[in-house]
Amino acid sequence: GAVVSQHPSRVICKSGTSVKIECRSLDFQATTMFWYRQFPKQSLMLMATSNEGSKATYEQGVEKDKFLINHASLTLSTLTVTSAHPEDSSFYICSASRRGPRQETQYFGPGTRLLVL
Amino acid sequence: GENVEQHPSTLSVQEGDSAVIKCTYSDSASNYFPWYKQELGKRPQLIIDIRSNVGEKKDQRIAVTLNKTAKHFSLHITETQPEDSAVYFCSSSGSARQLTFGSGTQLTVLP
Repeated sequence: GAVVSQHPSRVICKSGTSVKIECRSLDFQATTMFWYRQFPKQSLMLMATSNEGSKATYEQGVEKDKFLINHASLTLSTLTVTSAHPEDSSFYICSASRRGPRQETQYFGPGTRLLVL
Repeated sequence: GENVEQHPSTLSVQEGDSAVIKCTYSDSASNYFPWYKQELGKRPQLIIDIRSNVGEKKDQRIAVTLNKTAKHFSLHITETQPEDSAVYFCSSSGSARQLTFGSGTQLTVLP
């Protein structure tokens, strides 16, 4: 149990376009979903935390108007990178946590590799 | 906010030897400390975690120790195998359940 999927796995887009990434919890209800960004050979950096039905909480330095997060249901969160630029190229990973005795455990999706040309 | 430091950044060991990775954290309110293994281009995988009410936890060849007073926690891998080669991240979280990650350790197990 506790499987998280992400779609697409990789995307190449032109500068100025928008890209939407989906994160789904397949076999559990995710009370909270997290979005991370990971540059090559670096650690995971938390971008934002989202709870179902409420606005996402963004980390310092992350532009909420550029990285739009929607958590419309207990199994789906989306991250939209608006007007993407080459510096947004990165590995975007979501994670989800659930209710219950191990609610602090985060289950990670497989990641989305974004390349902006 | 929380700050997690991890050492070493790279670690090479001979197959069969032990590997130790150490982390420190800054927020005394942190109470959950998971360790993740990440292979190149893949998702982080939880390998072991420890909560602040215990000082040590073991799962086969992997063990984690926690010293809350000193704000240190460590990962120990015994009898290393080539398939243990990966990047390992320590992390911590508190009541907000947000994970703060260390900078990672590239472990290479030499056959």
